[in-house]
Amino acid sequence: SQKIEQNSEALNIQEGKTATLTCNYTNYSPAYLQWYRQDPGRGPVFLLLIRENEKEKRKERLKVTFDTTLKQSLFHITASQPADSATYLCALDKGGTASKLTFGTGTRLQVTL
Amino acid sequence: DGGITQSPKYLFRKEGQNVTLSCEQNLNHDAMYWYRQDPGQGLRLIYYSQIVNDFQKGDIAEGYSVSREKKESFPLTVTSAQKNPTAFYLCASSTDRGTGEKLLFGSGTQLSVL
Repeated sequence: SQKIEQNSEALNIQEGKTATLTCNYTNYSPAYLQWYRQDPGRGPVFLLLIRENEKEKRKERLKVTFDTTLKQSLFHITASQPADSATYLCALDKGGTASKLTFGTGTRLQVTL
Repeated sequence: DGGITQSPKYLFRKEGQNVTLSCEQNLNHDAMYWYRQDPGQGLRLIYYSQIVNDFQKGDIAEGYSVSREKKESFPLTVTSAQKNPTAFYLCASSTDRGTGEKLLFGSGTQLSVL
């Protein structure tokens, strides 16, 4: 069956370091992969989208990689700040429409001083 | 400001009662979605609508109903048939169809059973 795996354990890192979150998937051939940020009690906020033919995408301090051979996406936050503390969700899109999006359970990131 | 408004923020349901969650958007988006979020689980799609007066079942539609009479409104009714309604409900609309739809979410409604 199709499965998306994000580390369910919280990731704790020190301010200024680079945070790396992992999204692994099986039995998918996604056309796109998206990352969202979710704060407690709030709706997710879209961060980045990467297509299957793209290896890497950047936006300010954020970088996403997409390895369709390894079936893995890595999400990096450089120079992390306490304000980056949140849960980060990956979502796989099989066909370019949101009705085909499947979400992972998310990884909580805690950035400490 | 353009966006998606969900109300109420918190809702309590008595056994046997139907309750309706509101979702309004002023973004002129065609597509709207309802998701359910439970602790430790990914978002699960309940219903979606890609155009006015049309909607489709998602992965977990049983016990729920929707309507799409206006482009800006997509209310969700949690019926008494939904035996485990306690969850965080999220409404979303989408943009950039065909190039990789990105979802814009509302702030959510937490539904609990009394």
